[in-house]
Amino acid sequence: QSALTQPPSASGSPGQSVTISCTETKNDIANYNYVSWYQHHPGKAPKLIIYEVFKRPSGVPDRFSASKSGNTASLTVSGLQAEDEAHYYCSSYVGSNTWVFGGGTKLTVL
Amino acid sequence: QVQLVESGGGVVQPGTSLRLSCAASGFTFRNYGMHWVRQAPGKGLEWVAMIWYDGSFKYYADSVKGRFTISRDNSKNRLYLQMNSLRAEDAAVYFCARALFPIVYYGMDLWGQGTTVTVSS
Repeated sequence: QSALTQPPSASGSPGQSVTISCTETKNDIANYNYVSWYQHHPGKAPKLIIYEVFKRPSGVPDRFSASKSGNTASLTVSGLQAEDEAHYYCSSYVGSNTWVFGGGTKLTVL
Repeated sequence: QVQLVESGGGVVQPGTSLRLSCAASGFTFRNYGMHWVRQAPGKGLEWVAMIWYDGSFKYYADSVKGRFTISRDNSKNRLYLQMNSLRAEDAAVYFCARALFPIVYYGMDLWGQGTTVTVSS
């Protein structure tokens, strides 16, 4: 089964930009435009911040952007703010009626 | 108010059963596919199951296939997860999540706050 690999941690100072990668060993990310990203503050409901690789739901700041190249998807948070400190998860439909999540990246705002 | 509220979690012994419920409000529930996603203590999110808007198709992660059953009652705006033969590794916070409309593969755009399942003897 496909697996999505994320770095366990990332950090940046307020105002800086941080990029989180999501790499997959098969070609499911490359073959599908089904990558999504979620922000999760512990104890709260996860929040969709990116869908269909790069699209932002209404209400998500444009400081959040995303892209895909080959079998790697990336999320960039620009102009870091204190409230961006959270866990971030990539996810993708990988065929065979299966969805997978990456292991998550804890973003620390220094 | 558009929201999902899970309930039914608790402490159970290995090998027993539990049914989780997710109450939907503020949107037309019968139009949306729905997922269950879980998070074990100290771990990341894990997709568990998905059901189409009308209940016609149901899909499961390998880790729960044959033990868990996802279902829905569109007349009550409710999603369910029947969990049988529970194992220690099923202990987690269970979230229900709404699939994006109309393309369910694109992501999950609304989540509940979760209900906690503890499996312990």
